[in-house]
Amino acid sequence: GAGVSQSPSNKVTEKGKDVELRCDPISGHTALYWYRQSLGQGLEFLIYFQGNSAPDKSGLPSDRFSAERTGGSVSTLTIQRTQQEDSAVYLCASSLRSGDNSPLHFGNGTRLTVT
Amino acid sequence: GQQLNQSPQSMFIQEGEDVSMNCTSSSIFNTWLWYKQDPGEGPVLLIALYKAGELTSNGRLTAQFGITRKDSFLNISASIPSDVGIYFCAGQLGAQKLVFGQGTRLTINP
Repeated sequence: GAGVSQSPSNKVTEKGKDVELRCDPISGHTALYWYRQSLGQGLEFLIYFQGNSAPDKSGLPSDRFSAERTGGSVSTLTIQRTQQEDSAVYLCASSLRSGDNSPLHFGNGTRLTVT
Repeated sequence: GQQLNQSPQSMFIQEGEDVSMNCTSSSIFNTWLWYKQDPGEGPVLLIALYKAGELTSNGRLTAQFGITRKDSFLNISASIPSDVGIYFCAGQLGAQKLVFGQGTRLTINP
């Protein structure tokens, strides 16, 4: 597709269950980013990939959060043993490369609700 | 860590009015970006600024990259109903992550 695609668009899960969120970046974009947005708040950085490696994973809130990227394309963000405070919109973005002069293009996000 | 202070947090204006919002930082950036987010969607890039002092326009939108590299503003002229949404500034330095402001929520009264 032409833009960043995220699935599912909405996910409701019970506390303690694991969830997987998927991101398909724009074709040819080597950098991929995950951000989290709580209701009415700004965007909180989680992790970014350059190719399949993650130079900066400093934003992951706890060891329950992990992400991987395969084939330099699709990425999966996994949250284990979900907690209610994990409820948020998880946004994925991609850019041609990491760094200056390469703006991020965002998907529409996955809205996660933990009950 | 790096933080961006974006103001105002919210604006309530009449259709046709001009709008101005800004971001400041304690750190320098090489890139300033302005995004708009509509409900249920991801942020959409409005303007990208890559050079200190640069003034860039995109239709009714004008943004500037401050000379000190620590601030940026976004102006919207002659606002229309579809300008409603949340506007975010973002700064980037080298290969570091993009840092976002807290957003300005714009509401327009017809």
